[in-house]
Amino acid sequence: GENVEQHPSTLSVQEGDSAVIKCTYSDSASNYFPWYKQELGKRPQLIIDIRSNVGEKKDQRIAVTLNKTAKHFSLHITETQPEDSAVYFCAASMGWGGATNKLIFGTGTLLAVQP
Amino acid sequence: EAGVTQFPSHSVIEKGQTVTLRCDPISGHDNLYWYRRVMGKEIKFLLHFVKESKQDESGMPNNRFLAERTGGTYSTLKVQPAELEDSGVYFCASSQDSAASSTDTQYFGPGTRLTVL
Repeated sequence: GENVEQHPSTLSVQEGDSAVIKCTYSDSASNYFPWYKQELGKRPQLIIDIRSNVGEKKDQRIAVTLNKTAKHFSLHITETQPEDSAVYFCAASMGWGGATNKLIFGTGTLLAVQP
Repeated sequence: EAGVTQFPSHSVIEKGQTVTLRCDPISGHDNLYWYRRVMGKEIKFLLHFVKESKQDESGMPNNRFLAERTGGTYSTLKVQPAELEDSGVYFCASSQDSAASSTDTQYFGPGTRLTVL
């Protein structure tokens, strides 16, 4: 079955710096890759997602890149702010085109932005 | 629009007892999912309902777990009897019917933190 690995497990950056979180997946049939942000004590919230027919997607300070050949996808946060501090989860899914659209998650990255 | 809600937010029970978790999806969402995060590990899929039918229950750990969604609205997840390793945060998520939406977005609830002593 699908397996998603996520690195690093913790990441500390200075305010204003960039942060990059990387994930790899194993099943080439996966075609939908969302990223969720979970602040302490709150629910996971979708921040950005990408489909396999797109190589990059950007939304203000957040961008996601996808390399289907290498089965890698990454989250990039520029000009980090203290409110970006949270646990970030990547996930992979076969989406509606597959037999199931369950999300397979990575283990999470705890991002700390130091003011 | 109200988001996905879950009840209770926390539950502490003794090993061998029974616990029932409840999830109310976003109104109109046919798809309902249960996930679990065990201490510091990844969020793991448990099962997926489409309306009242179980579409995929491949993630259910064993027959101590029973999920229901009678009437295709809210869902319950019962653990009976609970074991120590069942401790964790149980998340529910919902998404729209695929025919009605081009998005796969799953909206998560706040989770139920279950502690089995």
